[in-house]
Amino acid sequence: GAVVSQHPSWVICKSGTSVKIECRSLDFQATTMFWYRQFPKQSLMLMATSNEGSKATYEQGVEKDKFLINHASLTLSTLTVTSAHPEDSSFYICSASKAGGTDTQYFGPGTRLTVL
Amino acid sequence: DAKTTQPPSMDCAEGRAANLPCNHSTISGNEYVYWYRQIHSQGPQYIIHGLKNNETNEMASLIITEDRKSSTLILPHATLRDTAVYYCIVRVGGGNAGNMLTFGGGTRLMVKP
Repeated sequence: GAVVSQHPSWVICKSGTSVKIECRSLDFQATTMFWYRQFPKQSLMLMATSNEGSKATYEQGVEKDKFLINHASLTLSTLTVTSAHPEDSSFYICSASKAGGTDTQYFGPGTRLTVL
Repeated sequence: DAKTTQPPSMDCAEGRAANLPCNHSTISGNEYVYWYRQIHSQGPQYIIHGLKNNETNEMASLIITEDRKSSTLILPHATLRDTAVYYCIVRVGGGNAGNMLTFGGGTRLMVKP
């Protein structure tokens, strides 16, 4: 158990467009989901923490109006990169913690975003 | 969360045990030690975690020193597929699903034939 999926696995878009990335917990309910991004040769950086049914908490330096997070159900969180620019090109990874279980985080496979 | 220190890279021969060290000298009493690994272009994979007792699962063993200031992840028989970046993370546990993970630089383990 504890499988997390992401869709799409990769996306290429034009500058100025918006891109939505989905994160799903397939075999468990997740009260909390996290969004990270990772630039080449760097470690993962937390962007925001998302709790089901409430507003996300963003890390310092992450623009909440640019990176819209919705966690409408216990199995789905979405990250929308609005008006994407080339500097937003990165590897976006989500993780989820089981509701009522231990607080171990399970990660999705990641989404590679390339903005032209 | 306590800061961890790991060697940036290590090599290991295929079939041999890989011992990955981690220093966390400022760890607090309620902080757990977590290990994850990230294979190139994939999301991190949970390996194991512990508080103060040694732990073992199908993937690895975690040895935590008695003073909890350091730990070692042991992959008993490394294979080429174990080549990855291994992250040691300490954070508050206790069942709070909202506790975040802070990733450092990790150790890049290269398993060689």
